[in-house]
Amino acid sequence: DIQMTQSPSSLSASVGDRVTITCRASQSIKRFVNWYQQKSGQAPKLLIYAASSLQSGVPSRFSGSGSGTDFSLTITSLQPEDFATYYCQQSYSTPSITFGQGTRLEIK
Amino acid sequence: QLQLQESGPGLVKPSETLSLTCTVSGGSISSSDYYWGWIRQAPGKGLEWIGTIYYTGSTYYNSSLKSRLAISVDTSKSQFSLKLSSVTAADTAMYYCARRGALYDSSGIYNWFDPWGQGTLVTVSS
Repeated sequence: DIQMTQSPSSLSASVGDRVTITCRASQSIKRFVNWYQQKSGQAPKLLIYAASSLQSGVPSRFSGSGSGTDFSLTITSLQPEDFATYYCQQSYSTPSITFGQGTRLEIK
Repeated sequence: QLQLQESGPGLVKPSETLSLTCTVSGGSISSSDYYWGWIRQAPGKGLEWIGTIYYTGSTYYNSSLKSRLAISVDTSKSQFSLKLSSVTAADTAMYYCARRGALYDSSGIYNWFDPWGQGTLVTVSS
């Protein structure tokens, strides 16, 4: 199975900050990475697909980049509603897909 | 707007079978463009893919659950279902259903889960 390792596991930041979450795959997965946001008590929500494509309706302060084994999700100018847990997910080995362990973004 | 809704018992006894149904509304479960999946999340833990089904009935399972798992589809009811047998406390989780979308290009087939149902909590306990 392809392992997805996110870092950091948790992160404290302030409103207005720029933050970056990284995800490393255990093998090259080209650009087959998606990013999800999960707020407390809610289902995950798709933010980014195919490494850098912004899902419809998602604010442009969210962006994704990377290819091969290293990927990142960047949020510019953090808003109060952005404090949540973020997950990367690989679809290279579809139908068998795996998620990262999650990064919890907290208010400083 | 497509919506998915999970339903089923919230409490299952150890060694019994967990059964859940996902009802799809606002779109066709028989669309050739999409697959349908189940994902779970143990309390305080990350996301685990359970399995995926196509409207024709083709199924794909997580190898760690395959021996206990059955996913089926009923297109006439716009539903797909999950059965997980011989459950233990380790199967206690929030269970989500979701639609798997896809994008095709020269590199291959990109796919993702969106939207998701709100989830249903299943507790395995006697």
